[in-house]
Amino acid sequence: EVQLVESGGGLVQPGGSLRLSCAASGFTFSSSWMNWVRRAPGRGLEWVALIKEDGREKYYVDSVKGRFTISRDNAKNSVYLQMNSLRAEDTAVYYCATDRVQRWGQGTLVTVSS
Amino acid sequence: DIVMTQTPLSLSVTPGQPASISCKSSQSLLFSDGETYLNWYLQKPGQPPQLLIHEVSNRFSGVPDRFSGSGSGTDFTLKISRVEAEDVGFYYCMQTRQPPWTFGQGTKVEIK
Repeated sequence: EVQLVESGGGLVQPGGSLRLSCAASGFTFSSSWMNWVRRAPGRGLEWVALIKEDGREKYYVDSVKGRFTISRDNAKNSVYLQMNSLRAEDTAVYYCATDRVQRWGQGTLVTVSS
Repeated sequence: DIVMTQTPLSLSVTPGQPASISCKSSQSLLFSDGETYLNWYLQKPGQPPQLLIHEVSNRFSGVPDRFSGSGSGTDFTLKISRVEAEDVGFYYCMQTRQPPWTFGQGTKVEIK
């Protein structure tokens, strides 16, 4: 069974940083693209970032370029999202998802507020 | 970037009746491998999103057959043949034809 477990969310002040983690199991992680997707309060889903199998290709939504970095460790079956220079508008539940956004974790809440 | 436009943005349906949601993309979602990369998701209250349909018309594992997807190129439709109470939530289309992947605005489905 595919399992994705996100962690690392919490309350952070504007301008601060957080690192989200997603631990994967139940599939061949090293062969899978991985994504981060978020849903802000009262808003729809927004895809945030994609990393391909070997980590050499990465893509981001414009609103996080230069601030967020996606990475992965295939030996640990994990994907990460380093979030810097956080803004209030980054407040959301962040989900990791496999491949072309097929299977999803339960999400972790990030709140950016003073 | 590919823009995804869903209609309607909200839908109130009597149980047992059909429902339909439209999704249009600003560019063709047909990829060079012959696949059309359009997915449909449902996010129920308090739950993560779940994949319903992938590549336009393929039901994901465990999805009831009352859900069906159709379309090609830039025009797509999700149909629920007979809406049940458990189908309430937000429905989204999404393209994975080219990064950045993009979602439609979402359609809120409620039961009358």
